[in-house]
Amino acid sequence: DVKVTQSSRYLVKRTGEKVFLECVQDMDHENMFWYRQDPGLGLRLIYFSYDVKMKEKGDIPEGYSVSREKKERFSLILESASTNQTSMYLCASSFTGEAFFGQGTRLTVV
Amino acid sequence: DQQVKQNSPSLSVQEGRISILNCDYTNSMFDYFLWYKKYPAEGPTFLISISSIKDKNEDGRFTVFLNKSAKHLSLHIVPSQPGDSAVYFCAARVYNFNKFYFGSGTKLNVKP
Repeated sequence: DVKVTQSSRYLVKRTGEKVFLECVQDMDHENMFWYRQDPGLGLRLIYFSYDVKMKEKGDIPEGYSVSREKKERFSLILESASTNQTSMYLCASSFTGEAFFGQGTRLTVV
Repeated sequence: DQQVKQNSPSLSVQEGRISILNCDYTNSMFDYFLWYKKYPAEGPTFLISISSIKDKNEDGRFTVFLNKSAKHLSLHIVPSQPGDSAVYFCAARVYNFNKFYFGSGTKLNVKP
């Protein structure tokens, strides 16, 4: 079974803090993704990576950056957290077929 | 502009009846379509997929239909069960490209 693990289920951070969300997958997948889910907006792609050290912007990259130093790990960084980044963050990985998701991180920025 | 659209935010169905969830897309380059199920505070779980060379794919109680000319797909759940109550997302991908495009989701409530 594919396992995608996100480091935290719930996080509360203060405005202006630098926030790191970590994601690890154990199936040697090439592709990894970060999405955010907001009510009525579905899943919106922030960034994705198709190989180590490779990244591409998704639909809403502003305010975020990513790091992929190892194939199994994909990190999402909020450079200076703002209240409009309060959301559910979902990491996923894929090879040629469907994407497999982690359990999600509910981030609240106060 | 959203390339994958789910126009019904919610659907309520009686247990044992059929649930039909709909999805429309605009990009004719999509050739792989998926349905995911999501419970609150959990990540989406893959349900079923279909490639554009087919018009139907079945897996137990779940069937996905694809109408390429109408750029429309639907998920049928028969019979519906209370445990099916969740948010359902449809998604699409261009073959060999890495991005998945998701709809906004439909919240299904199956009443006992």
